[in-house]
Amino acid sequence: AQTVTQSQPEMSVQEAETVTLSCTYDTSESDYYLFWYKQPPSRQMILVIRQEAYKQQNATENRFSVNFQKAAKSFSLKISDSQLGDAAMYFCASNTGGFKTIFGAGTRLFVKA
Amino acid sequence: NAGVMQNPRHLVRRRGQEARLRCSPMKGHSHVYWYRQLPEEGLKFMVYLQKENIIDESGMPKERFSAEFPKEGPSILRIQQVVRGDSAAYFCASSPIRGSSNEQFFGPGTRLTVL
Repeated sequence: AQTVTQSQPEMSVQEAETVTLSCTYDTSESDYYLFWYKQPPSRQMILVIRQEAYKQQNATENRFSVNFQKAAKSFSLKISDSQLGDAAMYFCASNTGGFKTIFGAGTRLFVKA
Repeated sequence: NAGVMQNPRHLVRRRGQEARLRCSPMKGHSHVYWYRQLPEEGLKFMVYLQKENIIDESGMPKERFSAEFPKEGPSILRIQQVVRGDSAAYFCASSPIRGSSNEQFFGPGTRLTVL
């Protein structure tokens, strides 16, 4: 069975600083995908970044990057130059074979001006 | 290309009534997924459908909940005889026939409140 664990219920960062959100997962599959979703107060789920497990190179999307440690089953999200608009719930998720996506419990990120 | 559409966005029902939630996937997408998000929790998978077929309903409660994705029209999540514990946000997601990234595109959700 797949599981996704986010051990940080809340995180706080100063504007323009860098913050890292942690995520660990467990799966018996060899082919899987990992995602970070952002959920602002509007509740819309917005894909921030994705990583294919077979790729060794860490994914990056502008200010967002991941540290994918396959052996440790760790998938952390780094947000650089944090902005007020980054404040939201962040969910780590995994998906195998295009079927159901398993989500972590989420980390609420606060950004201080 | 319009995104995943869900309606209504907000739905209020009294205990014992029926709730019908609709989801129109993105154009060209034939896979639909429903998720439920309870307050302060992550999304929990409920059901995965393709046109006219339920592929995986392992996350659906055994009673009162049903889902369909007919050949024509939107996918419907139906909750009969709602109870207060059904109050949640229900998200629909869709994906293309064979997505290269397994990414699921999410709709804005329907917030169900049971009085």
